[in-house]
Amino acid sequence: AQSVTQPDIHITVSEGASLELRCNYSYGATPYLFWYVQSPGQGLQLLLKYFSGDTLVQGIKGFEAEFKRSQSSFNLRKPSVHWSDAAEYFCAVGGLDNAGNMLTFGGGTRLMVKP
Amino acid sequence: DAGVTQSPTHLIKTRGQQVTLRCSPKSGHDTVSWYQQALGQGPQFIFQYYEEEERQRGNFPDRFSGHQFPNYSSELNVNALLLGDSALYLCASTRRTGVIYEQYFGPGTRLTVT
Repeated sequence: AQSVTQPDIHITVSEGASLELRCNYSYGATPYLFWYVQSPGQGLQLLLKYFSGDTLVQGIKGFEAEFKRSQSSFNLRKPSVHWSDAAEYFCAVGGLDNAGNMLTFGGGTRLMVKP
Repeated sequence: DAGVTQSPTHLIKTRGQQVTLRCSPKSGHDTVSWYQQALGQGPQFIFQYYEEEERQRGNFPDRFSGHQFPNYSSELNVNALLLGDSALYLCASTRRTGVIYEQYFGPGTRLTVT
């Protein structure tokens, strides 16, 4: 069975500071990995995805993530956080057998940005 | 291009009642998935519809059922509501890009069971 762990429930960073959100997954083969963002009262927006190839993937809004197979991790990073980045962030894994069609989500990390 | 739309936005029901939630996928998307997001948790996969059939199902009881119409829109039905069914219900429509699927989520329906 596939699973996702996001160890940090809440993270607070100052505006302009760098950000790293952690994600660890469990899956028996090469997974499909995704990061989504959810603002209050809204649905989920896809930030980036990874299946194969370059282990550093670029996404929207200046986010990037690095796939590390040896650590079963897919951490999300941003060099300089903006106040508008405050939201909840979800890491998700999809199985190879469904091409990422059925997603398993982590519990989320709530990001707060200090002015 | 309209995104994924869901109705209603909010809903309040009583234990034991039945509820129907609706979803219209993005234009050109033929697959619809439903997720349940309890407060403070990540979404959990309920089931997925493609070609008007349930193709995959998560770990949810038979009280949860669905339907997909020829125009690809979908309904989620929940019977015999429990307090624990209170959650945000998200619909996602799927586009396949190469070998990977991208899911586009709607804003959700907030269901409160009292």
